[in-house]
Amino acid sequence: EIVLTQSPDFQSVTPKEKVTITCRASQSIGSSLHWYQQKPDQSPKLLIKYASQSFSGVPSRFSGSGSGTDFTLTINSLEVEDAATYYCHQSSSIPRTFGQGTKVEIK
Amino acid sequence: EVQLVESGGGLVQPGGSLKLSCAASGFSFSDSAMHWVRQASGKGLEWVGRIRSKTNNYATAYAASVKGRFTISRDDSKNTAYLQMDSLKTEDTAVYYCTRMTLIPDDFSLDFWGQGTLVTVSS
Repeated sequence: EIVLTQSPDFQSVTPKEKVTITCRASQSIGSSLHWYQQKPDQSPKLLIKYASQSFSGVPSRFSGSGSGTDFTLTINSLEVEDAATYYCHQSSSIPRTFGQGTKVEIK
Repeated sequence: EVQLVESGGGLVQPGGSLKLSCAASGFSFSDSAMHWVRQASGKGLEWVGRIRSKTNNYATAYAASVKGRFTISRDDSKNTAYLQMDSLKTEDTAVYYCTRMTLIPDDFSLDFWGQGTLVTVSS
């Protein structure tokens, strides 16, 4: 099973600040890494697929990078509405796995 | 508009069974692989399993934590996926989401999710 480890677990950020979340895979997964945003009491929403491809309708301030074992989600100029928990997810192999999540709080 | 609507959640005793449904609309359901993901209260996301399309022989796969107890099926004539849960344990208590794998060839991301249904396993 591929283990995904996100860091940090929690981040408190002021609006307009830049946010960087990392996801490390226990073995190489190529670019088969996706990022999801989950707001309280909502279902997850796809932000970035295959490490760097923005999903339709996602604001341009969200971007992703990386390949192999190390990946990054960047939120440029954080907005209040971006308060959420962010998860990485791999589709390289079964069982699919998720990172433990990174909660982003607005200061 | 893609819609996934889960139903069938509720309270069940340990050792009991429950069957969840996921009604799909707004896309070609028969062509799409469907996944189930769960989330215990205050916890992260856990992949449960998936069923592929008829083209891929309705192949299923499960997480180790549910293998042998849960069964995923689908009825393409009803645009519905199912999660049959048997021998339920208290640790199966969670919100269960159905989610579809994108229809884009060679793209295995999960692009749309339902609103979830709560399963509580307790005596």
